[in-house]
Amino acid sequence: GIQVEQSPPDLILQEGANSTLRCNFSDSVNNLQWFHQNPWGQLINLFYIPSGTKQNGRLSATTVATERYSLLYISSSQTTDSGVYFCAVEAGRLAFGKGNQVVVIP
Amino acid sequence: DAGITQSPRHKVTETGTPVTLRCHQTENHRYMYWYRQDPGHGLRLIHYSYGVKDTDKGEVSDGYSVSRSKTEDFLLTLESATSSQTSVYFCAAGDRPPGYTFGSGTRLTVV
Repeated sequence: GIQVEQSPPDLILQEGANSTLRCNFSDSVNNLQWFHQNPWGQLINLFYIPSGTKQNGRLSATTVATERYSLLYISSSQTTDSGVYFCAVEAGRLAFGKGNQVVVIP
Repeated sequence: DAGITQSPRHKVTETGTPVTLRCHQTENHRYMYWYRQDPGHGLRLIHYSYGVKDTDKGEVSDGYSVSRSKTEDFLLTLESATSSQTSVYFCAAGDRPPGYTFGSGTRLTVV
């Protein structure tokens, strides 16, 4: 099946810092989504982004489908950004990477 | 998330008993998924459905079965629960596009 790799696995940020999370995938996909799992365990849909660039407040995402990667940008990070960020790709079925664990320190 | 309800939210059961978890959606989505989440393993696919009565296995399907007799309901059954099935179970529903939404999860403990 398709392989999804996320980097870095762990990230500690000072509040106010910017960061970039990366998702590489091994094959062509029909769908790509970014999710945020908050410290209470809820999985929140951030972006549906099979290609192109989208922005939502301090978060933005870019997917370059031809090169098989996606990037999630967090700008001016806040403590509420802490949690795990998952990239999920769909090529027949929805497969997840192992996630980026992000901790934002006040 | 709005439109996807998992029940029960928490359950403790004994080894060897059958257990059924329910995922209910109100958005008429075609696709529904069951995942389990364990420390160090991320989200692993158990089974998924691409329509009523159409289901397929995921990477960790042993010991689990599913049924989808109506668009809105996707049931996950542990045929004979084991301690290795202690986990948090998530259901997702959606279409291509606009993507998928997750339920709040079911925390299952097998003692």
